[in-house]
Formats: sequence, C-alpha cells, structure tokens
Amino acid sequence: QSALTQPRSVSGSPGQSVTISCTGTSSDVGGFNYVSWYQQHPGKAPKLMIYDVSKWPSGVPDRFSGSKSGNTASLTISGLRAEDEADYYCCSYGGSYTFRVFGTGTKVTVL
Amino acid sequence: EVQLVESGGGLVQPGGSLRLSCAASGFTFSSHDMNWVRQAPGKGLEWVSGITASGGSTYYADSVKGRFAISRDNSKSMLYLQMNSLRAEDMALYYCAKDQVHASFDVWGQGTMVSVSS
Repeated sequence: QSALTQPRSVSGSPGQSVTISCTGTSSDVGGFNYVSWYQQHPGKAPKLMIYDVSKWPSGVPDRFSGSKSGNTASLTISGLRAEDEADYYCCSYGGSYTFRVFGTGTKVTVL
Repeated sequence: EVQLVESGGGLVQPGGSLRLSCAASGFTFSSHDMNWVRQAPGKGLEWVSGITASGGSTYYADSVKGRFAISRDNSKSMLYLQMNSLRAEDMALYYCAKDQVHASFDVWGQGTMVSVSS
C-alpha cells in the first residue's frame, strides 16, 4: 500500500494553468477509472474537486479538470486564482485489498 | 444539512486504546460506504479504514491492520473506530468521510485529534 506519487509543489501566476500529476500502478490508478482529487486549505477539511477521473461534483468550477493516461492521473487548474492556493491530494480505488490510497500531496502556490 | 461530527479523540499513552465515533446526519447513512482518514501534523492525508454500507466488509491500511477495528451502527447512523496498541505514529487528526461513489469522499467531518505520548 504505497502512497501515490505527486510533485511536492507547483506554482503559477494568476490566470495561468497548472497541472498536478498523480502516479500509481496498474493495481490502483491504472486499473480503474476511480481517481478523485481534493483541495485542502490550511486548518480546513479536504474538499472533493473531481471524481471518477474527470467528473465534477456540484458547485465545483470547470476551471478544475481531470484526466488519466496509463498509471498517471492529472488535475489541471485553468485560470489560476488566489483562492486556488492550497494543498491538493489525489486518491484512487485500489481494489479489494488496498481499497483506497491517497497521493503524497501537492502544494499549489499562486505567485 | 449533510453533516459528520467526530468525537472521542484525546491524549493517550503508547500502547493505550481509544474509540472514535462519527455521528452522521442529513443523508441515508445505511446506503453509503464510510471511511476514516487521518492527517498527522504537517503531513498528508492517509486513508486508514473503510467499511461497506451494510457493514459486511471492512478494510484497513497495512499501518493499522490488526490494531484498529472499524464498525458501524446503521440504526443510529454512527461510525466507529476502535484503536488499540496505539503508537506515536498514530498521532493525527482523524476524519470521518462519506463515500460518494468509487472511492470519492464527498462529505468530511471536522476531525478529532488523537495524541499519543507518555
């Protein structure tokens, strides 16, 4: 049950786009279309931003988009805003043994 | 309002036990898988344990297997985590999280802090 691998940090200027990768294995990310993404501001509970690789929960702006290729999923934030500065985590279904596994987390900084 | 409220955290000595509770409201509790997720101070999220909607199947991270036990009472809309043989590395904020579909957690509680120290 190893954590999914994410870059420690990414940054961008307001209005730009940033992409966060989430690399797993064929037993989790690559094996199922069940990747979700969470935004967490300091001192707050995580918030679901994307589920089933690329679907939006109600209320989440479409500036956030998800995709997957092989064992790597990605979250892209377009039109970066100051309020997007937060930690982001991916999560994948890992089958009946692993069940759920989170990524290592990425800090997004808006310059 | 859909809500999860955790309780039961506190300070415990290494080797001790704690039982966390999560009270659910505003949704049909018995229809959803539920999970515990923890976050050590300054660290990332770690999935700890999950239980299916009926309670018939339970799952654990390797780091807690054999020491923690998840359970639920659908008649009371309650989720529990019995934590035994606690270690310093178990110190974290423990969140209760509702499964929407396919390993996506759409509702989170505010968390309850577990501290392990002598």
